[in-house]
Amino acid sequence: DTAVSQTPKYLVTQMGNDKSIKCEQNLGHDTMYWYKQDSKKFLKIMFSYNNKELIINETVPNRFSPKSPDKAHLNLHINSLELGDSAVYFCASSQGAGGPTQYFGPGTRLTVL
Amino acid sequence: AQTVTQSQPEMSVQEAETVTLSCTYDTSESDYYLFWYKQPPSRQMILVIRQEAYKQQNATENRFSVNFQKAAKSFSLKISDSQLGDAAMYFCAYKHGSSNTGKLIFGQGTTLQVKP
Repeated sequence: DTAVSQTPKYLVTQMGNDKSIKCEQNLGHDTMYWYKQDSKKFLKIMFSYNNKELIINETVPNRFSPKSPDKAHLNLHINSLELGDSAVYFCASSQGAGGPTQYFGPGTRLTVL
Repeated sequence: AQTVTQSQPEMSVQEAETVTLSCTYDTSESDYYLFWYKQPPSRQMILVIRQEAYKQQNATENRFSVNFQKAAKSFSLKISDSQLGDAAMYFCAYKHGSSNTGKLIFGQGTTLQVKP
């Protein structure tokens, strides 16, 4: 059973389009995250949600809007895609924001043409 | 602000040999966690090992062990009996222990090549 899953795994789209990435975890965790890995492989947190409430927004453009319909799901919607949004996006989860270990999904490679 | 630095962009090791990856960090906190994550070409982020700052004993997971030097703020990963499957990018990461945000701060990564 996959603990943290993301769909789609690959996403190729044109500049200006709107797209969504979905994330689901079946670990019973209450905290979920989005990380961005850029072309130089640098990983940085974007958002953190605890019990469906936003607790981190790391100066991410407001074209990015996370939505958490329940504790097991955290989706990422991106409006007006730009070339610089091309990256790998990882979802992760943990038990509590203070939980010591985060488990990552397989990542979604987004390519904006 | 906390920072994590991996000064070795690339390392290589002969199969069955031992290699050590370096990581230093900067923090004024006393309660924190340190991690090593492995990212193979499949791009999945896999937790290799975790160290709690309050524990003096170095963490060990099979062939993987750490050398945690709290005063020096150093956290190196030793891989013994290297295998071809160890080839990957390795990330060192820091997390504040009682964080209410859960934010992980990553180093730049070290690419490990394993030669047969």
